[in-house]
Amino acid sequence: DAGVIQSPRHEVTEMGQEVTLRCKPISGHDYLFWYRQTMMRGLELLIYFNNNVPIDDSGMPEDRFSAKMPNASFSTLKIQPSEPRDSAVYFCASTLLAGGTGELFFGEGSRLTVL
Amino acid sequence: DQQVKQNSPSLSVQEGRISILNCDYTNSMFDYFLWYKKYPAEGPTFLISISSIKDKNEDGRFTVFLNKSAKHLSLHIVPSQPGDSAVYFCAASGWGAAGNKLTFGGGTRVLVKP
Repeated sequence: DAGVIQSPRHEVTEMGQEVTLRCKPISGHDYLFWYRQTMMRGLELLIYFNNNVPIDDSGMPEDRFSAKMPNASFSTLKIQPSEPRDSAVYFCASTLLAGGTGELFFGEGSRLTVL
Repeated sequence: DQQVKQNSPSLSVQEGRISILNCDYTNSMFDYFLWYKKYPAEGPTFLISISSIKDKNEDGRFTVFLNKSAKHLSLHIVPSQPGDSAVYFCAASGWGAAGNKLTFGGGTRVLVKP
């Protein structure tokens, strides 16, 4: 089975532009997570969904960030407007088991650079 | 405030020797702990986990030790191999409202020298 698929792998944009990151979770997984990796903060959870419903978005840094999951096989993370401090690697992950014991399967990440 | 901390950002070890990675946590509600390994330009991959009802879990060359009273866990890699060179993340989760998400540490970069 294909793993978690993220696109684009790399994105370079200018400050103020809208950025949309995409994720296709593993088929059958009902939890989807968006993480951000930076040198300063490591891997931090932004938001997660269960059965397409956002459960916890307390990690979303500010209103410029939004995430959607219109169906079980697709999610987007949008930044509008983007700022240089948003530069990071954004990971999507999915899992099947609830209760925190489920192993997370990560995509390869989307490296975002905001100039 | 970071609930999961990896205080050593990097570690260098000779091939064949033991690598010991440490992780501390502050949230007493955490009861399940995992280690992930990450190569450059790839996503993290699951390595090994341990439940709070245990104090040790072993899988081949990898052993995780948990000291609940000290809120400390460690990952031992014996013997270390050049292919183990990667960034290792410690992660923790708890039951209840927070039970479905993992909190990660900042990572430790391991370099195994041939």
